[in-house]
Amino acid sequence: DIVMTQSPDSLAVSLGERATINCKSSRTVLYSSNNKNYLAWYQQKPGQPPKLLIYWASTRESGVPDRFSGSGSGTDFTLTISSLQAEDVAVYYCQQYYTTPQTFGQGTKVEVK
Amino acid sequence: QVQLVQSGAEVKKPGSSVKVSCKASGGTFSSSAISWVRQAPAQGLEWMGGIIPLFGTPNYAQKFQGRVTITTDQSTSTAYMELSSLRSEDTAVYYCARGDYIGSRDSWIIDYWGQGTLVTVSS
Repeated sequence: DIVMTQSPDSLAVSLGERATINCKSSRTVLYSSNNKNYLAWYQQKPGQPPKLLIYWASTRESGVPDRFSGSGSGTDFTLTISSLQAEDVAVYYCQQYYTTPQTFGQGTKVEVK
Repeated sequence: QVQLVQSGAEVKKPGSSVKVSCKASGGTFSSSAISWVRQAPAQGLEWMGGIIPLFGTPNYAQKFQGRVTITTDQSTSTAYMELSSLRSEDTAVYYCARGDYIGSRDSWIIDYWGQGTLVTVSS
């Protein structure tokens, strides 16, 4: 199985400041045949199911604010919230869909400082 | 707009089984893929398995092999997840989630989630 490891486990950021979450996979999730990274990011707020933010490592889902961006390739990825808003307080998960079982990172809790 | 509606909360005894349903509306059920993901209290997301109704063959995480069965009924656009030999550690919210099938690597991106079904295992 591909193991997804996120860092940090939690972070506190002031409103309007940048939040950066890292995700590392134990094997590449870059498929050479189409040059796509099979990596998604989800946001989960308390009592709600997760919400898709980013797929193909850097493609924003429709309706997701442009302060959310994804980057990286191969085994190392980053989710950036450029200017943290109060409504961004949540747990964020990376997930690989390169192979089954699809696996998630352990989650990163983002709070307001 | 795709919507996934799951069956209600369950309380089960250790050693018993539970079957959770997930009815889809909107989208094309047969060409999508359904995943089952669970979340224990205050824990992260755990992918249990998935199925592409068009192909019909489920794929399970090793941890759940032999205990989980995922099926679909295309006539009603409903997916099912049955977990047997329940133990207290299986207490969790169980989510169904769907995505469009991606031909390359037989994969899918989860883009819609059900509301979740709380399964409590307690004697």
